[in-house]
Amino acid sequence: AQKITQTQPGMFVQEKEAVTLDCTYDTSDPSYGLFWYKQPSSGEMIFLIYQGSYDQQNATEGRYSLNFQKARKSANLVISASQLGDSAMYFCAMREFNTGNQFYFGTGTSLTVIP
Amino acid sequence: NAGVTQTPKFQVLKTGQSMTLQCAQDMNHEYMSWYRQDPGMGLRLIHYSVGAGITDQGEVPNGYNVSRSTTEDFPLRLLSAAPSQTSVYFCASSYLANEKLFFGSGTQLSVL
Repeated sequence: AQKITQTQPGMFVQEKEAVTLDCTYDTSDPSYGLFWYKQPSSGEMIFLIYQGSYDQQNATEGRYSLNFQKARKSANLVISASQLGDSAMYFCAMREFNTGNQFYFGTGTSLTVIP
Repeated sequence: NAGVTQTPKFQVLKTGQSMTLQCAQDMNHEYMSWYRQDPGMGLRLIHYSVGAGITDQGEVPNGYNVSRSTTEDFPLRLLSAAPSQTSVYFCASSYLANEKLFFGSGTQLSVL
């Protein structure tokens, strides 16, 4: 079974609108972390936001927020007030802290912001 | 603070050639790892290490070797390159905790 599933290969959003990128995960480890990374066309991997499995509140970092629904095993990324510079690939990842410490990545979502 | 330094940025090999991708980090991270990125496949883990002298296989280890003789360095060796190894390779490191991965800038490898 896939550890991380991103079901949206491509998404479009109008500039200044909000967009949600979906991510579901699969783990039996009670201690894990969820991460989102951005990969612009230049290729570097940019860390956006982190949510721990024991965190009670949803993580926020500027225009990024993580909608963490533990029972549904989902960790959707919400980008508010989209900008042209948000056009990129977005990867969801999970780290299991009691089971090898490996990071698992999803297949990514390509976001295009339309002016 | 250089972070994760990965070399080379680009490499072209012929089938059967060998080469080593270099990765070094200066953040005293215990965890180091290698990923390959292929279109539509996301990042797939090749090998990882949780400390000097300790390495383990990831999802796609075949055709690759690693070693970790120091905390700082984690080279990836292709012993006999194949066209299926054409990909973008990323080295990444972190602390062994609820910490994010720090990535190198990537290596574009083409095997002809």
